[in-house]
Amino acid sequence: AQKVTQAQTEISVVEKEDVTLDCVYETRDTTYYLFWYKQPPSGELVFLIRRNSFDEQNEISGRYSWNFQKSTSSFNFTITASQVVDSAVYFCALSGDSGGSNYKLTFGKGTLLTVNP
Amino acid sequence: AAGVIQSPRHLIKEKRETATLKCYPIPRHDTVYWYQQGPGQDPQFLISFYEKMQSDKGSIPDRFSAQQFSDYHSELNMSSLELGDSALYFCASRTIRNTEAFFGQGTRLTVV
Repeated sequence: AQKVTQAQTEISVVEKEDVTLDCVYETRDTTYYLFWYKQPPSGELVFLIRRNSFDEQNEISGRYSWNFQKSTSSFNFTITASQVVDSAVYFCALSGDSGGSNYKLTFGKGTLLTVNP
Repeated sequence: AAGVIQSPRHLIKEKRETATLKCYPIPRHDTVYWYQQGPGQDPQFLISFYEKMQSDKGSIPDRFSAQQFSDYHSELNMSSLELGDSALYFCASRTIRNTEAFFGQGTRLTVV
């Protein structure tokens, strides 16, 4: 069975602070994919990034960066110089194809990020 | 680029009524997933279809049924609605050759 743990339920920061959202996962698949989604108050799920289990290269995209460490089963997400518009719930998710799971997503419980002006 | 279309966007039903949610996948996508997200919860997988056949099943109540049609659109039918069915329902689609699924904007169902 797959499991995603986001230990931080809520985080509150002041604008321009850096913030890191933690994600730890469990899977028996040798090939799997990790995702981060943003869900603003309007409710839609906004795709941020996908990494596959073979690619541990960390990535930076603008103010966003991701740190994938297979050794610790972690896929952490950092927002640099946070802005009020970053306020949302952030979900880490995992998919694989073991046992015919057909790449369905298993989500963490989400982290509510509030960025205060 | 075309995205996943879900209709309706909002739906209000009374207890014990029936609801039908529709999902139109991205053109040439052959796999559809349904997820349910209760208030303050993470999305939970309900069911998926590949080439009009059910491919996987999650925590979908017996009161719910779904199918994928010949044009690849999918419908989620929900009967004997309960207050606890109030949630955001997401549809996602992908092509079998790509492991990434794309989400629709969701249908917000409120049962009163």
